[in-house]
Amino acid sequence: GQSLEQPSEVTAVEGAIVQINCTYQTSGFYGLSWYQQHDGGAPTFLSYNALDGLEETGRFSSFLSRSDSYGYLLLQELQMKDSASYFCAVVPMNRDDKIIFGKGTRLHILP
Amino acid sequence: KAGVTQTPRYLIKTRGQQVTLSCSPISGHRSVSWYQQTPGQGLQFLFEYFSETQRNKGNFPGRFSGRQFSNSRSEMNVSTLELGDSALYLCASRREAGRAYNEQFFGPGTRLTVL
Repeated sequence: GQSLEQPSEVTAVEGAIVQINCTYQTSGFYGLSWYQQHDGGAPTFLSYNALDGLEETGRFSSFLSRSDSYGYLLLQELQMKDSASYFCAVVPMNRDDKIIFGKGTRLHILP
Repeated sequence: KAGVTQTPRYLIKTRGQQVTLSCSPISGHRSVSWYQQTPGQGLQFLFEYFSETQRNKGNFPGRFSGRQFSNSRSEMNVSTLELGDSALYLCASRREAGRAYNEQFFGPGTRLTVL
């Protein structure tokens, strides 16, 4: 089977750096994606890792290590507007297979 | 380019009724997926349609069904509603070409309340 594990909640201070981890058990996948969802809003795509290593998009970076079955989302220079839920998702190798989402990590930011 | 749209945005039904939700994907997107979201459960996959065919199905009872039309618009139906069906139902579309097929674009969702 396929499963993704994320911490349910993470708290950080405005201006700081926070890392949200995602560990997975899946048999073959194309890449790892991250989505952000604000309260009352729809999930929006943040980043995608097809290869091991770090992908940087502004204040957000995402990392993947296939050998460790592990990935993370790194948020720098935290702003209050970053308070949201963050989901990792596995993109299957077979495009006919569904995308699997983790249960999400609620990020709380303190002033 | 217009985003994914879902109608209605809010719905209140009573137990035993049935409901139909609608989703219009981004123009050019042929894949439409449906998810149920409840507090603490994340995004539970319902099904995915591509070119009018159901490609994948999640672990939901047969009361949940869907279809896709030739213009890629999709509907999902829930019959004999139960209290536990109260949730946010999200629709997402994606392209099918290369790396881009991994990125899903979500609609605003339909908030269903079953009384």
